Amino acid sequence: QQPVQSPQAVILREGEDAVINCSSSKALYSVHWYRQKHGEAPVFLMILLKGGEQKGHEKISASFNEKKQQSSLYLTASQLSYSGTYFCGTGYQGAQKLVFGQGTRLTINP
Amino acid sequence: GAGVSQSPSNKVTEKGKDVELRCDPISGHTALYWYRQSLGQGLEFLIYFQGNSAPDKSGLPSDRFSAERTGGSVSTLTIQRTQQEDSAVYLCASSLGVSGANVLTFGAGSRLTVL
Repeated sequence: QQPVQSPQAVILREGEDAVINCSSSKALYSVHWYRQKHGEAPVFLMILLKGGEQKGHEKISASFNEKKQQSSLYLTASQLSYSGTYFCGTGYQGAQKLVFGQGTRLTINP
Repeated sequence: GAGVSQSPSNKVTEKGKDVELRCDPISGHTALYWYRQSLGQGLEFLIYFQGNSAPDKSGLPSDRFSAERTGGSVSTLTIQRTQQEDSAVYLCASSLGVSGANVLTFGAGSRLTVL
């Protein structure tokens, strides 16, 4: 039931773009994206509900493909502050707990 | 309170000892979660509480782990006869309700080291 994230790690130069994918083997009701900086708690970025919507947050946006049971997080023109580990959390219809993927470590270099 | 509060922030214990970790959720949040994060790993679901419903304990790794939530607020995670593999950061999170659409707010975590 745990979603699968890819890639496991990404190293970019400042200003480059990145895509992080999250796939589920079960039909999704919701996808949450969180970012965790080293030694800190995960912080909520955005939530997507089934319906194939796309959301944006400054230069960070995400899509949700209900049919493919997957979500992608897009980071454009990356900034140093984007460094951290990104987790997707998946919610399922009728299920109450949120299950997280293994995370994608993003490193942005100057 | 303004956020999710966890204590202690750091705990070092000897193998075989019992430990208790406390979580104080955001006031008004009815759902409370415990996750475990081992070094460099993802967020492993442990247990989930929602109101007065029976908790979802499906993620507890062994019967040495237990948790309770008193009065629908504060929660305590207890690990008995600790083992070295229990070393991890234990994260608590709370949310407004039960559905998968509710946003989780995490505490800073309790780092447990078992010697």
